[in-house]
Amino acid sequence: ETGVTQTPRHLVMGMTNKKSLKCEQHLGHNAMYWYKQSAKKPLELMFVYNFKEQTENNSVPSRFSPECPNSSHLFLHLHTLQPEDSALYLCASSQEGRGGADTQYFGPGTRLTVL
Amino acid sequence: DAKTTQPTSMDCAEGRAANLPCNHSTISGNEYVYWYRQIHSQGPQYIIHGLKNNETNEMASLIITEDRKSSTLILPHATLRDTAVYYCIVRSLSGGSYIPTFGRGTSLIVHP
Repeated sequence: ETGVTQTPRHLVMGMTNKKSLKCEQHLGHNAMYWYKQSAKKPLELMFVYNFKEQTENNSVPSRFSPECPNSSHLFLHLHTLQPEDSALYLCASSQEGRGGADTQYFGPGTRLTVL
Repeated sequence: DAKTTQPTSMDCAEGRAANLPCNHSTISGNEYVYWYRQIHSQGPQYIIHGLKNNETNEMASLIITEDRKSSTLILPHATLRDTAVYYCIVRSLSGGSYIPTFGRGTSLIVHP
């Protein structure tokens, strides 16, 4: 247990569905992240929220919509996805400061399959 | 792009030390080196990090060269459960946050 939980753990959806992934951290951190990991590829950073404000958006298609209502919760809203969006979606959190060592802690991930 | 270079794969006999190298020749003076590992289809797990000095914790040891251009992660007594992909990461400042960039890592296989 890393203190970061993700639900659901597995999700199968059609291309016309709308679904949401949820991440919750119990570590008191101020930064949260969404990563995508496709088969046999490195982790790709999607979004970064620092103090609830989005500070990074790595050219992610608009069919992925993040939401960070408070520093403990992070959502990824999904709509009209494509089969190539099937991947492991990972959430992480960290306590960001000015430089220094800010370790990320990852959740177990949501395995998404788009049919 | 990842700022580190690691071998694609390594193997190690159970009970032996596993030494995983990483090159980070462009590291700047205030950047930490982090190591994570990912067991198949699970979230990455933090192992250890360091700046200049060698570090040790209950999982591993981290040896950083004096010029800081490379480091080695040491698992002193590898077990079958240490089979995983190991990532060496140097974070870079982007938009006010230190962003880690994961490369392909080293796939370590521990065999009986």
